[in-house]
Amino acid sequence: SQQGEEDPQALSIQEGENATMNCSYKTSINNLQWYRQNSGRGLVHLILIRSNEREKHSGRLRVTLDTSKKSSSLLITASRAADTASYFCATDEGGRGGSEKLVFGKGTKLTVNP
Amino acid sequence: GAGVSQSPSNKVTEKGKDVELRCDPISGHTALYWYRQSLGQGLEFLIYFQGNSAPDKSGLPSDRFSAERTGGSVSTLTIQRTQQEDSAVYLCASSLGGWTGELFFGEGSRLTVL
Repeated sequence: SQQGEEDPQALSIQEGENATMNCSYKTSINNLQWYRQNSGRGLVHLILIRSNEREKHSGRLRVTLDTSKKSSSLLITASRAADTASYFCATDEGGRGGSEKLVFGKGTKLTVNP
Repeated sequence: GAGVSQSPSNKVTEKGKDVELRCDPISGHTALYWYRQSLGQGLEFLIYFQGNSAPDKSGLPSDRFSAERTGGSVSTLTIQRTQQEDSAVYLCASSLGGWTGELFFGEGSRLTVL
């Protein structure tokens, strides 16, 4: 089942600009996570935000969560060419008694041009 | 080990053959997950282990797919009578247990069925 849906599917920006990616989901959650995947590699965890949190920061990353709208955004500030990757949101299915699997969206492919 | 290890990294097989994909999780991680990623797509959940038991097998696409985990450590995903639509990258991840934590992914096993 598809829980998170990222938007846009692809994003191309210039180095130094900010990149914003959005994620929408359908059911109630306990937490939402963002992951990054370089081409042909495994996924790397970036940040986790719990359902009772509204905003979280980690370095150049800022994540917001709006549970009333069932949406989250990931902002990367002052982007670098090395940020080029696909970004995925992942949600648990908290409304179903604590299912222990993460459901991933299709991702946003970010290209940062030097 | 230092990270999640998957083997083989690449596997080319003929339609109808059986394949086994192996995942060696991070030592001490009780939870283990298998996902499938088709080209340019998101992650499709296959199965989740807590210890040696699999409380959630809901993502296995057909009865040709099976997985086991022994000793609370290594897991094997077996695909019998492979079909061309099975071609994908199979990703394994492990975590300390429970849905509140981050997943640590391996680099994946790329399966090509000719």
